Amino acid sequence: DGGITQSPKYLFRKEGQNVTLSCEQNLNHDAMYWYRQDPGQGLRLIYYSQIVNDFQKGDIAEGYSVSREKKESFPLTVTSAQKNPTAFYLCASSVGLSRYNEQFFGPGTRLTVL
Amino acid sequence: GQQVMQIPQYQHVQEGEDFTTYCNSSTTLSNIQWYKQRPGGHPVFLIQLVKSGEVKKQKRLTFQFGEAKKNSSLHITATQTTDVGTYFCAPTKGGSEKLVFGKGTKLTVNP
Repeated sequence: DGGITQSPKYLFRKEGQNVTLSCEQNLNHDAMYWYRQDPGQGLRLIYYSQIVNDFQKGDIAEGYSVSREKKESFPLTVTSAQKNPTAFYLCASSVGLSRYNEQFFGPGTRLTVL
Repeated sequence: GQQVMQIPQYQHVQEGEDFTTYCNSSTTLSNIQWYKQRPGGHPVFLIQLVKSGEVKKQKRLTFQFGEAKKNSSLHITATQTTDVGTYFCAPTKGGSEKLVFGKGTKLTVNP
């Protein structure tokens, strides 16, 4: 069954700690994305990658880092520099980085920083 | 910040009533995608519009792209409880390949 998995579904961390969110896809997609969603807000792009070993900052990259060592995986690290990290994080993928490609989303990780 | 305005932000209807959400931009859009997110779920792609004045239908859902490609709408006829969720428009502009999501319209349906 093809799709995108994110783990864990819920994550709690203490303030000042870095935390890494997992995103894996078996759709053989080249492009992958990380979005942040806050209540009443749309999705805001954090980082995206169109190919292995390459990634670009989105609109709100400050306080976040990513890696793309494998085509299937695109983990996101929320660092202690992120001032307001509590949010719902969504990973997505598409066939390629084209405006005409639909994006497939994972189930999301809800991060709460205490 | 957000470059598209999606209205209304919330809409509550009685089951069987119609529903419309609008996505407006001050600049010309290249194309627009629509997504639906069920409560507690993740966004799911519904449709893409590319051509000026384009109209597409999916059962009770009708999607339109304005003649000037600056606005779009999603209309649901005779809403059902299964239509509950937040509907997002996600256009792209100019030379960008990235989607810009609107804030969404949250639809609730009273049975």
